[in-house]
Parts: sequence; C-alpha cells; structure tokens
Amino acid sequence: AQTVTQSQPEMSVQEAETVTLSCTYDTSENNYYLFWYKQPPSRQMILVIRQEAYKQQNATENRFSVNFQKAAKSFSLKISDSQLGDTAMYFCAFMKHVRTGNQFYFGTGTSLTVIP
Amino acid sequence: DTGVSQNPRHKITKRGQNVTFRCDPISEHNRLYWYRQTLGQGPEFLTYFQNEAQLEKSRLLSDRFSAERPKGSFSTLEIQRTEQGDSAMYLCASSPDRSSGNTIYFGEGSWLTVV
Repeated sequence: AQTVTQSQPEMSVQEAETVTLSCTYDTSENNYYLFWYKQPPSRQMILVIRQEAYKQQNATENRFSVNFQKAAKSFSLKISDSQLGDTAMYFCAFMKHVRTGNQFYFGTGTSLTVIP
Repeated sequence: DTGVSQNPRHKITKRGQNVTFRCDPISEHNRLYWYRQTLGQGPEFLTYFQNEAQLEKSRLLSDRFSAERPKGSFSTLEIQRTEQGDSAMYLCASSPDRSSGNTIYFGEGSWLTVV
C-alpha cells in the first residue's frame, strides 16, 4: 500500500522569506510521479509542481522547487520569496500507474500562512 | 475551457435524504475521478471513470453511493439515505488519456452537510 506523510500540520513564514514543506512516502514501486497541490481557502486545488521518479533532477517552477530524494522517499517543497497569495493548504501526492489508469494518494496537508 | 465544473457547490440535507452531485470535466478529458475530502484530511479516492466505464471503486464507496458517467462526458455522484458521516467535500477531477506528467485537474468541490 502507498502512504504519503506530511508531518507538519501548520507552518508560517514571513513574507519574502523561504519556507520548506516536508513530505515522505512509502512505496514498493519504482516508477511513479510526485506532486504538490495547493488549495487556497474555499478555492479549488491547483497543481504547484510535479516530479517524475525516474528523473534525478529536481523540478523547479518559478519560486517553487522540490528536493526529491528517491532513496529516502522524501519529496519536500521549497517556496522562495513567499507571497501573501501563497497562503493555502499544501498537499503532497503520489501517483502510480495501474492497469486501469492512474491512482493518486494524498497526504493530510500542511496549512501554510504567509505573514505580512 | 472553464476547467472542471461542479454543482451544487454547497448542499445541506437532512439525514436520510438522497443527494446528487454533478461534475463536468474539462472537455475531451477521458478520465474522471471522484474524491472525498474531510476537514484536516487530504482527498480520498472514491471512484474513477475512463470514458463511460467505471474502472475503479474504493472500499469507501458503500452501496449507498453510486456514480455514473453515461455518455463519457459529465458524471453524477448520488448518495442515498445520507448519514452525518457523509458530510464532506466531494471533489471531481479529470485528466486526458495521455496527460503530460499525468496531472489531474480538480474542480472546486461540492460541500455536503448532513444535519
């Protein structure tokens, strides 16, 4: 079974500072994808960044980057130059291919507050 | 393209009543997913369609829950004889068959409160 663990229920960061959100996962799969999704208050969940497990290079997307450690099964998200609009719940997700399609597993989320 | 659309956005119902939620996926997305999310938790998988075929169902999907996607476009999720434990946000998501990075796109969710 796949599990995704986010050990930080809440975090805060000063505007313009950098913050890192942690995620670990457990799987016996070798090929899979990892995602970070952002869910602002009362708004839909949107993709922040994704990482293919077969790629060693860490994904980056503007101010967002990941530290993917496959052997340690760790997938942390770094947000640089934090902005007020980054305030949201952040979910780490694991995806694997199955015969009938894709299966996604989500962590319990980290609530991030950016303080002005 | 307006993204994944869900309605109603909010529903309050009395215990024992039936409710139905509708999801319109992004056009030409063959894959459609239903998830349930409760406060303080991440989304939990309920069921998955490829076109009109329901290919996966979670054990969370009791026999009071039924989902359909009759023409391979929109989908409905019906909950019969609602219970207070059904109170949650029901999320719909879609993706194309060969999505770049296999990303799924979520709707804004339908909040259900059973009183």
